[in-house]
Amino acid sequence: GQQVMQIPQYQHVQEGEDFTTYCNSSTTLSNIQWYKQRPGGHPVFLIQLVKSGEVKKQKRLTFQFGEAKKNSSLHITATQTTDVGTYFCAGLYGGATNKLIFGTGTLLAVQP
Amino acid sequence: DTEVTQTPKHLVMGMTNKKSLKCEQHMGHRAMYWYKQKAKKPPELMFVYSYEKLSINESVPSRFSPECPNSSLLNLHLHALQPEDSALYLCASSRLLRPDYGYTFGSGTRLTVV
Repeated sequence: GQQVMQIPQYQHVQEGEDFTTYCNSSTTLSNIQWYKQRPGGHPVFLIQLVKSGEVKKQKRLTFQFGEAKKNSSLHITATQTTDVGTYFCAGLYGGATNKLIFGTGTLLAVQP
Repeated sequence: DTEVTQTPKHLVMGMTNKKSLKCEQHMGHRAMYWYKQKAKKPPELMFVYSYEKLSINESVPSRFSPECPNSSLLNLHLHALQPEDSALYLCASSRLLRPDYGYTFGSGTRLTVV
């Protein structure tokens, strides 16, 4: 079945440092989405990437989709304490399944 | 209205009880979902409804019974649950069956089975 792995599982940074999480799918994706879940909260949609090699930016966040559409990354520049939470990638697989498979997630802790 | 509302927020139930979780959205989304999330784990898909019809059941045990009375409401009926069913149950909706514009999640029901 489809699997989406993320690394690292956990990252602790000092405020102001950069952070990157990587996402890998065992099979080709139709698109990939990113979600953030604050501690005690629910997942909140951040962005969707569709095209091979696509790069999108949201302020300090940069999202990339791999050329083979099997991997993706999220980079945060100059982390802030408000960035704390778990970041999930979620792959949409084509064909009949039509469902979003969530990655294993990366928990980001930011020390002020 | 850009929210998905779930009730109750917390639920404690015995293994012989019957209870229901409720979910409501007024964004005109025609796909709705139930997810289960255990601590420190990603959300796991349980059910998908498209145009009020069940389109995906991820081999969920029959003690979980979904219902979609109309395009705005989604219920999850619970009966004879086990302690290992304790988790955060999340409802979500999306614009299309293919969630190309992202899912909107509710704040969840934290369920404890005793």
